[in-house]
Amino acid sequence: RKEVEQDPGPFNVPEGATVAFNCTYSNSASQSFFWYRQDCRKEPKLLMSVYSSGNEDGRFTAQLNRASQYISLLIRDSKLSDSATYLCVVNAPASGGSYIPTFGRGTSLIVHP
Amino acid sequence: DVKVTQSSRYLVKRTGEKVFLECVQDMDHENMFWYRQDPGLGLRLIYFSYDVKMKEKGDIPEGYSVSREKKERFSLILESASTNQTSMYLCASSFTDRGNQPQHFGDGTRLSIL
Repeated sequence: RKEVEQDPGPFNVPEGATVAFNCTYSNSASQSFFWYRQDCRKEPKLLMSVYSSGNEDGRFTAQLNRASQYISLLIRDSKLSDSATYLCVVNAPASGGSYIPTFGRGTSLIVHP
Repeated sequence: DVKVTQSSRYLVKRTGEKVFLECVQDMDHENMFWYRQDPGLGLRLIYFSYDVKMKEKGDIPEGYSVSREKKERFSLILESASTNQTSMYLCASSFTDRGNQPQHFGDGTRLSIL
């Protein structure tokens, strides 16, 4: 299967900072894109879907660039509680009409006081 | 709210045992997945199923099998557990919807093989 690449970090930023993560994917047939957040020793939880037109949810903004095959996540006004690993996920067609998600290995964010 | 339930949060088994991990979802999702997650390696897909009685190998199926007899339940079986199968196991489910739907995860099972 094709790959999804992320910078593992860690990104170490002060509270209030703006931080951006990128994720590149190699399968041009990829259909949909998501960002997940994973806290230490917990399951991944959906943060937001990523749409071609870009989308925003509070302090979080996601962008998709199909031509260059990358997605991004921007976090404004970082909070201590944003400290986590952020996983990029790309859905691509598989057998039987199904779709398989491919996960990046995650980018670690540490927000300090 | 979607609920994906894994049968155990923590499990300790011995080498050579047959181990069953169970996963149940309550949202009538077509797709179900089993992953393992190890430090530095990210999530790796073991098996997935896009319909009852259907199964497909993921990236690391060796040493594992699965069963999907009912739509809501997807079981992962370690045929003869080995120490290198000590890991965090995560189950997930999703609608098909032309690939536009995200996955929802269970809490995970931390499996230790002694």
